[in-house]
Amino acid sequence: AQSVAQPEDQVNVAEGNPLTVKCTYSVSGNPYLFWYVQYPNRGLQFLLKYITGDNLVKGSYGFEAEFNKSQTSFHLKKPSALVSDSALYFCAVRDINTDKLIFGTGTRLQVFP
Amino acid sequence: NAGVTQTPKFQVLKTGQSMTLQCAQDMNHEYMSWYRQDPGMGLRLIHYSVGAGITDQGEVPNGYNVSRSTTEDFPLRLLSAAPSQTSVYFCASSGQNYEQYFGPGTRLTVT
Repeated sequence: AQSVAQPEDQVNVAEGNPLTVKCTYSVSGNPYLFWYVQYPNRGLQFLLKYITGDNLVKGSYGFEAEFNKSQTSFHLKKPSALVSDSALYFCAVRDINTDKLIFGTGTRLQVFP
Repeated sequence: NAGVTQTPKFQVLKTGQSMTLQCAQDMNHEYMSWYRQDPGMGLRLIHYSVGAGITDQGEVPNGYNVSRSTTEDFPLRLLSAAPSQTSVYFCASSGQNYEQYFGPGTRLTVT
């Protein structure tokens, strides 16, 4: 069965420093991978996706993610964190055989001034 | 476009009561889904649909029913509410680019 793991419940980073939020996946076949962000008391918003092609994908708000097939990972990165990036981040994988989109448990990113 | 709309925003039910959470989208998306969000559990897929007349179970379907009679609407029915169904419920839809659009959520409390 497909699954996604986000090993860190919370990531703390100082403003201006680079940030990484980790995600690993397990799926049969080629994965469709996504990152979403949730601000307090809001629904989720799409950040970026990997379907095929270049392993480094760029998304909204300066975020990017690197697809690594050998390590089955899809870590979210940003070169310079902002306080406004503080939110809950979810990694997700879509099984192209069943069309199910499965989310990880989420990582809370806290950026300190 | 209104995007994905959900009603109600808040609901309190007593154990054993039934209710329907409404979800509608105006983007002509074929794919729609329902998730519940609980602290420490992330989002868990309840049911999903790849088009009108087609529905399937997700990770946690027990206690919930869905139907998809039109492309626009995807209601979620709780047949006999239980305290374990206290949660925040999100409806989402996506088109051919696979990017999900989420509704604002329904906060449900079952006492």
